[in-house]
Amino acid sequence: NAGVTQTPKFQVLKTGQSMTLQCAQDMNHEYMSWYRQDPGMGLRLIHYSVGAGITDQGEVPNGYNVSRSTTEDFPLRLLSAAPSQTSVYFCASSSHINEQYFGPGTRLTVT
Amino acid sequence: DAKTTQPTSMDCAEGRAANLPCNHSTISGNEYVYWYRQIHSQGPQYIIHGLKNNETNEMASLIITEDRKSSTLILPHATLRDTAVYYCIVRVATSRAGGTSYGKLTFGQGTILTVHP
Repeated sequence: NAGVTQTPKFQVLKTGQSMTLQCAQDMNHEYMSWYRQDPGMGLRLIHYSVGAGITDQGEVPNGYNVSRSTTEDFPLRLLSAAPSQTSVYFCASSSHINEQYFGPGTRLTVT
Repeated sequence: DAKTTQPTSMDCAEGRAANLPCNHSTISGNEYVYWYRQIHSQGPQYIIHGLKNNETNEMASLIITEDRKSSTLILPHATLRDTAVYYCIVRVATSRAGGTSYGKLTFGQGTILTVHP
């Protein structure tokens, strides 16, 4: 199993540009989530999904959209990038209430 | 969500036990205590979790007080590779249609554990 994969690893955007951060897992996990981590801070939940077709907002959802058309994929879309969205983004998945598996992260810079 | 309080930083000598405390005085009866760690620049890694009994796995032990208001993560023989930020998290159950529950993880600031030679 590849586990949780994220692409790209690094990205630089200009203010106002849009893009999609990709997240995929091959463990048949129902639960997937997106977090962001700013320098020196803990992770904050952006959006999560409890299964295909079901998504919900986390702590900091503004400026981001998600969809879950398949069990495997959970893309995060930035609609109009802002410098405040400069961060490291982590995707995670889990099969039940137990441990979540995190991807390696995407480092995004918005200029 | 039950909030957690952890010391900002701790030091430990290599080969000694590292004991990381966590306070969660408002924890509810059906909430679990989870521990994750994050080594620099990597994604968080699950360590252990428990409800009210003490738990042990190949990585660590988790001691939860009888009143469940605090817990301690124990790394029995810390190594330099255990240097990381350790997060104590209380799980919030999220229900979906059909009765299956999943947990959202709310990360706090964590404890920076530095293991030195």
